[in-house]
Amino acid sequence: AQTVTQSQPEMSVQEAETVTLSCTYDTSESDYYLFWYKQPPSRQMILVIRQEAYKQQNATENRFSVNFQKAAKSFSLKISDSQLGDAAMYFCAYRTPMEYGNKLVFGAGTILRVKS
Amino acid sequence: GAVVSQHPSWVICKSGTSVKIECRSLDFQATTMFWYRQFPKQSLMLMATSNEGSKATYEQGVEKDKFLINHASLTLSTLTVTSAHPEDSSFYICSAQPGLNTDTQYFGPGTRLTVL
Repeated sequence: AQTVTQSQPEMSVQEAETVTLSCTYDTSESDYYLFWYKQPPSRQMILVIRQEAYKQQNATENRFSVNFQKAAKSFSLKISDSQLGDAAMYFCAYRTPMEYGNKLVFGAGTILRVKS
Repeated sequence: GAVVSQHPSWVICKSGTSVKIECRSLDFQATTMFWYRQFPKQSLMLMATSNEGSKATYEQGVEKDKFLINHASLTLSTLTVTSAHPEDSSFYICSAQPGLNTDTQYFGPGTRLTVL
């Protein structure tokens, strides 16, 4: 079974600085998708960034970028120029292949606090 | 685009009653919808996968007769918590996937259920 591990229950960053959230996963598949979702206090899940496993290039979305290390099964999220609005719970997620139902397996989450 | 709504956003009910939660995709057709449960400060746990026109597939440990799922159209799935008890109190979140070959699930805002 696929598992996703986020080893940092909580992280803090100063406004305008950079922070990296860690995520590792376990799978025997070669083609899959990985995601980072943000859940602010409103509880609405917001897609931050996604990565296709067969693409070696790391995904980037404005201030958000990932470091995808397929061999190491690592998928960390870097937030640059942190803003107060980035404060939220961040979930790393692995999507199972279509033949297994396209299910999302979530990590335990990392609470990100942004200090002004 | 890709907006998913849930209704109600919160509900309080007495023990023993049934509660229905609706999940709608507002601007796309969702062949598949997913239902999650989230306890405070915890991750999302998949309860079931709902495909339009067919029976839902439940995750191991989820009671089918307790959590009834109906996916009657390509834009609507419902979750009914039958004979609710205080331990069913939780945050329920749905997500919708536009097609089998799409890579992203879009999440609803969630429903907070409190059973007295």
